[in-house]
Amino acid sequence: AQKVTQAQTEISVVEKEDVTLDCVYETRDTTYYLFWYKQPPSGELVFLIRRNSFDEQNEISGRYSWNFQKSTSSFNFTITASQVVDSAVYFCALSEAGYGGSQGNLIFGKGTKLSVKP
Amino acid sequence: NAGVTQTPKFRILKIGQSMTLQCAQDMNHNYMYWYRQDPGMGLKLIYYSVGAGITDKGEVPNGYNVSRSTTEDFPLRLELAAPSQTSVYFCASSPSWINFPDNEQFFGPGTRLTVL
Repeated sequence: AQKVTQAQTEISVVEKEDVTLDCVYETRDTTYYLFWYKQPPSGELVFLIRRNSFDEQNEISGRYSWNFQKSTSSFNFTITASQVVDSAVYFCALSEAGYGGSQGNLIFGKGTKLSVKP
Repeated sequence: NAGVTQTPKFRILKIGQSMTLQCAQDMNHNYMYWYRQDPGMGLKLIYYSVGAGITDKGEVPNGYNVSRSTTEDFPLRLELAAPSQTSVYFCASSPSWINFPDNEQFFGPGTRLTVL
């Protein structure tokens, strides 16, 4: 069965520290997609990144970077030089190719609440 | 484009009351979804639709109904509200299945519902 585990419930860091948010997933599909979303205190969901199962290249976008490792079923997210504005709940999610109408349904982890203190 | 819009933003219901959460998108997306988010939890899929006239159950459909008469609208109906339905409800949409499933789901701002 498909599952996403974010073992870190809450993380607190001081501004400018680096922080890594862990995500471990389970799926039987060979074709699947992984996502990270940010939910700031205002409550909306902000898309950060999407990765497909055939592309294990790491990705960097400014202070954000993602490490996808199929061997360990992990898709970790690192924020370098954290800032107060990074304070939010971060969700990892899985979408399986599947068949019929079930494609694209997102399976979310429980989220990691990141607090960045000045 | 307004994207995905949801109304109302907040609502308090009494046990046993009914209401409809509205969701609309103006991006001509075929796929639409309803999720609920309980405190400290991730989102869970309630219902989804792959096009007008076609809907199917997600992980937690009990106590809810949906309809999809147009591409744009995907309302969620609560018939007999219960305290267990206190949650934040998110509607989302994504593009045609031709580019599926490697695509992003666009989320609405959410509806915060309290059942007392």
